[in-house]
Amino acid sequence: DAGVIQSPRHEVTEMGQEVTLRCKPISGHDYLFWYRQTMMRGLELLIYFNNNVPIDDSGMPEDRFSAKMPNASFSTLKIQPSEPRDSAVYFCASSFREDYGYTFGSGTRLTVV
Amino acid sequence: AQTVTQSQPEMSVQEAETVTLSCTYDTSESDYYLFWYKQPPSRQMILVIRQEAYKQQNATENRFSVNFQKAAKSFSLKISDSQLGDAAMYFCAYRSFHSGYALNFGKGTSLLVTP
Repeated sequence: DAGVIQSPRHEVTEMGQEVTLRCKPISGHDYLFWYRQTMMRGLELLIYFNNNVPIDDSGMPEDRFSAKMPNASFSTLKIQPSEPRDSAVYFCASSFREDYGYTFGSGTRLTVV
Repeated sequence: AQTVTQSQPEMSVQEAETVTLSCTYDTSESDYYLFWYKQPPSRQMILVIRQEAYKQQNATENRFSVNFQKAAKSFSLKISDSQLGDAAMYFCAYRSFHSGYALNFGKGTSLLVTP
């Protein structure tokens, strides 16, 4: 089991550019979560999917953020246009049972300059 | 929304000693799950231990154990025989049993382990 795989590990982009973060959940997991971590706000849930369907996107900051899960093995989080305040570590996590702690990917550190 | 509070931003412990990290939470629910996650400098989030609210017995995983006080809404983590590799950020998290599957995290406690 390769765990939850996120790419890229680091991303540096200029303000206004489009950024796409990628996640491959653990095979068989039917829940997928996107979290953002900053020093000021800690770990925040952005959105989560169940069986590829978005269930709760109330944490998505604004229309510049969008997430998709076209199939059970892939999800993307897109920011367009990016802003410096989007700089953070973005985590993807997956789970197959509600009572298990989720398995997190290694995160993508995004820096917008 | 449920809130999770970790009142100790930083803690320090000597190698081989025992340390307890505090966590309190606010909820009106009777069924829920609680977790402790470890985040070392590599930033990987690692599940340390979990507790189901309906279980009275405190969870234990090797050197890690919890003191779950449901009435007090307290969920502390005890690390015994501390090792240098235990140095990390530790996050307490809450998950509702009935309403949603998201984890609500506390702000974290930074644990320093000294030789």
